[in-house]
Amino acid sequence: DQQVKQNSPSLSVQEGRISILNCDYTNSMFDYFLWYKKYPAEGPTFLISISSIKDKNEDGRFTVFLNKSAKHLSLHIVPSQPGDSAVYFCAARLDLTGKLIFGQGTTLQVKP
Amino acid sequence: DTGVSQNPRHKITKRGQNVTFRCDPISEHNRLYWYRQTLGQGPEFLTYFQNEAQLEKSRLLSDRFSAERPKGSFSTLEIQRTEQGDSAMYLCASSSWSGNTEAFFGQGTRLTVV
Repeated sequence: DQQVKQNSPSLSVQEGRISILNCDYTNSMFDYFLWYKKYPAEGPTFLISISSIKDKNEDGRFTVFLNKSAKHLSLHIVPSQPGDSAVYFCAARLDLTGKLIFGQGTTLQVKP
Repeated sequence: DTGVSQNPRHKITKRGQNVTFRCDPISEHNRLYWYRQTLGQGPEFLTYFQNEAQLEKSRLLSDRFSAERPKGSFSTLEIQRTEQGDSAMYLCASSSWSGNTEAFFGQGTRLTVV
């Protein structure tokens, strides 16, 4: 049972435009959501997070939106840059152990 | 501190052999996690340590897998009698026990069982 889903395997956008990456979840007990970026042959790098009690968190070019009623979150990158090209993983935390449940990932390609 | 360090980066082994991976977390982090990632999937949780205590193990962690964190610092993950299905990227992450702090990942160990 996939509790965290990223239904778009890939996304291609033009440099300077907005990138929107989506994530759906099924478990309403998740209390914290995170986005990680992963380059080939490297481990995931933390990008941004949001608590379940909030609906928006912003950090520079990155904004995460959380819609609890829809069990949906999204990551907005504005403006997109070629260096943003990577695999993006959505992750959710279920309990205080801190273990994360990841989505399958979305490959973002930003074209110059 | 240079972050979470994992060794080796790559390991090729014959089916049936035992392998051991090492993870050195960020020094002040008392929580350590092991994940496994296969092609096209996100990382899947394997096990969790708080200091030297292994507090949770996933059902993915069969009897052939064992993890230790003897002094609450570095950790090892051993796979006995490897199978081709064990081929994956093994990721280690660490975090601190202080509210909502993110986990920091190492670069992973890529295991190929031939």
